[in-house]
Amino acid sequence: AQSVAQPEDQVNVAEGNPLTVKCTYSVSGNPYLFWYVQYPNRGLQFLLKYITGDNLVKGSYGFEAEFNKSQTSFHLKKPSALVSDSALYFCAVREGGNTGKLIFGQGTTLQVKP
Amino acid sequence: GAGVSQSPSNKVTEKGKDVELRCDPISGHTALYWYRQRLGQGLEFLIYFQGNSAPDKSGLPSDRFSAERTGESVSTLTIQRTQQEDSAVYLCASSFGFRPAGTDTQYFGPGTRLTVL
Repeated sequence: AQSVAQPEDQVNVAEGNPLTVKCTYSVSGNPYLFWYVQYPNRGLQFLLKYITGDNLVKGSYGFEAEFNKSQTSFHLKKPSALVSDSALYFCAVREGGNTGKLIFGQGTTLQVKP
Repeated sequence: GAGVSQSPSNKVTEKGKDVELRCDPISGHTALYWYRQRLGQGLEFLIYFQGNSAPDKSGLPSDRFSAERTGESVSTLTIQRTQQEDSAVYLCASSFGFRPAGTDTQYFGPGTRLTVL
């Protein structure tokens, strides 16, 4: 069965420092991987996705993620954090094929302090 | 154009009552999804519509839950005889319906917060 793990409930970083939000996955076929961000009382906003090709994916708001097949990971990164990046981040996976549903991790709260 | 819209934004109901939640997808999107987000948890898949194909209902938690979609437009999620454990935010998403579906990006609405007293 497909699954996604976000091992950290919360990540705290200082503004200007690099940030990493971790995600590992388990699928039986080729993974399609996604990151979404959720601000309070709002829906999810798409950040980036990995389908195939270059393992480093660049997305919205300066975020990027690195697909690592051997470690089954898809960590979200940003070189310099902003206070406005503080939000709840979700990693999600789809198994390759025509299945529509996304399997989400439990979410990681990112807190960026000035 | 406009994003995914959902109504109502908040719904408070009494245990045992039926509720209907509405989703208007982005124009031109053929695929539509419903998810449930319980407090402090990730999203749980409920149901997926793609064009005229039979919907994927594999995530519906019980027969009290059902959903319909009119063509490639509005969808309604109905919960009958609501229970307190149904309290959650119900999120709708839509996508272009590219093949394979796994590559398709889903765009989410703001959600409906359902509280069952």
